[in-house]
Amino acid sequence: QVQLQESGPGLVKPSETLSLACAVSGYSISSGYYWGWIRQHPGKGLEWIATIHHSGDTYYNPSHKSRVTISVDTSKNQFSLKLSSVTAADTAVYYCARWGGTTYGRKFDYWGQGTLVTVSS
Amino acid sequence: QSALTQPASVSGSPGQSITISCTGTSRDVGGYNYVSWYQQHPGKAPKLMIFDVSNRPSGVSNRFSGSKSGNTASLTISGLQAEDEADYYCSSYTSSGTLVVFGGGTKLTVL
Repeated sequence: QVQLQESGPGLVKPSETLSLACAVSGYSISSGYYWGWIRQHPGKGLEWIATIHHSGDTYYNPSHKSRVTISVDTSKNQFSLKLSSVTAADTAVYYCARWGGTTYGRKFDYWGQGTLVTVSS
Repeated sequence: QSALTQPASVSGSPGQSITISCTGTSRDVGGYNYVSWYQQHPGKAPKLMIFDVSNRPSGVSNRFSGSKSGNTASLTISGLQAEDEADYYCSSYTSSGTLVVFGGGTKLTVL
């Protein structure tokens, strides 16, 4: 069974960098699929942030591209998100998820449980 | 403002059927058969219910079905059950530069 688990600080100060990791179990990141981050502001809808393939292909939401870096660590079977210069507007629940892409279908089929990140001094 | 438009809320009584619409453009919903639907219960992660417009993942009840006409996709839930009460989000692949777009979500209330 594929499982994803987010980890990282729950509290980040304004102007600092938010760093999250997503550990994948039950499936090797190197075997295929893409891996992405989605966030959800409190009481709001879902917002796609970025997606990466183990080969290095990356896709970013243009709204955040200048501040976002997504990376993958196949040795740890995990992928990460960095969001710089955060403000209160970045306070949200951050989800990691598996994306099928052209090979396995354009859908997020497995999701992590989500982690709440609050930006506050 | 979300890229895809969904009604904020819908409701229905147990046993009834409801339909949630998801309207986009020719660059997303209308241009590709890559519409997905996700169910989200409070405090939980989204769960994939429908992909590629009308396909159900293994384990999802056949009470859930999807369709598309032009730039509008729809999710229909038949035989409503109390456990169906949740938020539902549509999503589509898009050629507009963002790869994926989501709808604003629809809160389903089972009366």
